[in-house]
Amino acid sequence: QKEVEQNSGPLSVPEGAIASLNCTYSDRGSQSFFWYRQYSGKSPELIMFIYSNGDKEDGRFTAQLNKASQYVSLLIRDSQPSDSATYLCAVRASGTYKYIFGTGTRLKVLA
Amino acid sequence: DVKVTQSSRYLVKRTGEKVFLECVQDMDHENMFWYRQDPGLGLRLIYFSYDVKMKEKGDIPEGYSVSREKKERFSLILESASTNQTSMYLCASSKQGVGEKLFFGSGTQLSVL
Repeated sequence: QKEVEQNSGPLSVPEGAIASLNCTYSDRGSQSFFWYRQYSGKSPELIMFIYSNGDKEDGRFTAQLNKASQYVSLLIRDSQPSDSATYLCAVRASGTYKYIFGTGTRLKVLA
Repeated sequence: DVKVTQSSRYLVKRTGEKVFLECVQDMDHENMFWYRQDPGLGLRLIYFSYDVKMKEKGDIPEGYSVSREKKERFSLILESASTNQTSMYLCASSKQGVGEKLFFGSGTQLSVL
C-alpha cells in the first residue's frame, strides 16, 4: 500500500513566524508532489506543486523536495491568521493516474 | 480557469435509496476521480476514470459504482445508501501527464438518515 504520512497537528505558530509542514511518502517512484490548502467546509485548493529535488518558491510559500529521503515540505513565511487551515500533501503514484493524499496537518496561526 | 462542478452542495437521503452524484468538468481532462473525506481519515479514493467508459476501483469501492458516458461527466452511484456513507464527496479531474495537477469540485455533503 503506497502511503503518504503527515503529522495531524495542530501546529500553532504566532503571526509573522515561519510555519513548517512536513510529509513523507513510501512510493520511491513518485514523480509529482502537491500541497493543497483546505479551509473548514471547503474543498482542497492547490497552492504548490514540485517535481524536482530542491526548493520551489511562490510568494510566501516554499516547497522543498528530497527524493532520496522521500520527504516533501512546505514552508509558509510571514504566517497570517488567514493561513489557518488544513494542509494536505498529495503524491502522484508511480505507474498509475492515482493521487495519494496524506490525512493533513491542521495549522493555526495565532494573532 | 478549470471548473469542476458538482451538482449538489448538500443532499439528504434515506437508507436504501439509490443516490446519484454528478460531476462535470470543462477543461477536457482525461482523468476524473471520486473521493470521500471523513474526519481523521483524510481523502480516500472511491473510483477513478482515465477515459470514457473506463473505470478503476480505488481504495474503498464497496457500495459504490460509477458511470462515465461522456468525457466531461463522471457520476457516482450509491446503489442502496447506508448511514456509513454519510460523508463529504469530492470530485476531481486532471490531465494525464506526469506532472499534471488535480482540481477539485466544491464537494457534496451527503447525509443518509
